[in-house]
Amino acid sequence: GQQVMQIPQYQHVQEGEDFTTYCNSSTTLSNIQWYKQRPGGHPVFLIQLVKSGEVKKQKRLTFQFGEAKKNSSLHITATQTTDVGTYFCAVRDSNYQLIWGAGTKLIIKP
Amino acid sequence: DGGITQSPKYLFRKEGQNVTLSCEQNLNHDAMYWYRQDPGQGLRLIYYSQIVNDFQKGDIAEGYSVSREKKESFPLTVTSAQKNPTAFYLCASSTTSGNHNEQFFGPGTRLTVL
Repeated sequence: GQQVMQIPQYQHVQEGEDFTTYCNSSTTLSNIQWYKQRPGGHPVFLIQLVKSGEVKKQKRLTFQFGEAKKNSSLHITATQTTDVGTYFCAVRDSNYQLIWGAGTKLIIKP
Repeated sequence: DGGITQSPKYLFRKEGQNVTLSCEQNLNHDAMYWYRQDPGQGLRLIYYSQIVNDFQKGDIAEGYSVSREKKESFPLTVTSAQKNPTAFYLCASSTTSGNHNEQFFGPGTRLTVL
């Protein structure tokens, strides 16, 4: 079945540094969704990308969908403590299920 | 206020007991899902339902059962056959039409089996 590989598993940054997480697939994706899960909380939808080469921004967050629609990235500029959590990518299949990446945990160094 | 509710937030049970987790949504979504999340891990699909009175097994359905008698409700029973039931259980829902089918999650239930 379809799989989505997400890297890295963890990223430690100083507050103010940038953060990036990547999702990759061996097959062409019809769409990709991104979610954020705060510590102790539940996943919350951030955005969906569907077009080849698409770039969307939400304040300090930049989401990209690759030209071949096989990879996607989430970049956070100048991280803040409110950004702490785990970021998941997910791909919707034809049955409306989501195929989830393993997540990247953003940790802000004290 | 539209959303998904799960109850209880924390649940403790003795080994060998069945336990039912509640999930209710008032978003008028057709599809509902149950996930299990272990500490530091991603989400694994237990069961999903796209319509009332129908549901499908996910990747880790063994030891779990569900029902979907009403559109709004999708309870999950963790049976004594589940070997390692201690985990964080998340319920979600989504539409099944159009191109925007993001999943909306409830706050989750943390189940601890003693």
